[in-house]
Amino acid sequence: AQTVTQSQPEMSVQEAETVTLSCTYDTSENNYYLFWYKQPPSRQMILVIRQEAYKQQNATENRFSVNFQKAAKSFSLKISDSQLGDTAMYFCAFLNPLTQGGSEKLVFGKGTKLTVNP
Amino acid sequence: ETGVTQTPRHLVMGMTNKKSLKCEQHLGHNAMYWYKQSAKKPLELMFVYSLEERVENNSVPSRFSPECPNSSHLFLHLHTLQPEDSALYLCASSQDPARAGGEKLFFGSGTQLSVL
Repeated sequence: AQTVTQSQPEMSVQEAETVTLSCTYDTSENNYYLFWYKQPPSRQMILVIRQEAYKQQNATENRFSVNFQKAAKSFSLKISDSQLGDTAMYFCAFLNPLTQGGSEKLVFGKGTKLTVNP
Repeated sequence: ETGVTQTPRHLVMGMTNKKSLKCEQHLGHNAMYWYKQSAKKPLELMFVYSLEERVENNSVPSRFSPECPNSSHLFLHLHTLQPEDSALYLCASSQDPARAGGEKLFFGSGTQLSVL
């Protein structure tokens, strides 16, 4: 079974600084997808960034980028120029391609609570 | 109105009560999901509906009963819950769960449930 581990329960960063959130996963699959979701105090989970395992190039979305190390099974999220609105829980998630049952199972980590300080 | 809407936002119920959680999506998606989010635990997938047919039931106790009358609405009926069922219940939708393309999930803001 796939597992996702986020080893940092809480982190803090000063506004305008850069912070990196860690995520490791365990799988025997070669093709899969990785995600970072953000859950602000409003509780609505929002997709931040998505990475396809067969792509070597690291995904980027504006101030958010990932460092995808397939051999090490590591998928860290870097937030540049941190803003107060980045304060949220961040969840790393792993998706196995279709199984024979035809349904998807997104496996989440326990999350990292990020606080951006003014 | 767009996105995924969940009601109520908060719910307190006794162990003998019957209540229902409601989810509505205005995105034209074909799949809807119920997730349970407990403190200090990963999100747990409970149910998946694709085109109003249940395709996933992750060994959820029968005191949780989902209903999907159409592709836009999803309910979670609650009956004789336990205090350990207290959690944030999140609804999500996606275009097509059968695509092996890493579907993006769109989440609602959840119902914070407290069972006394």
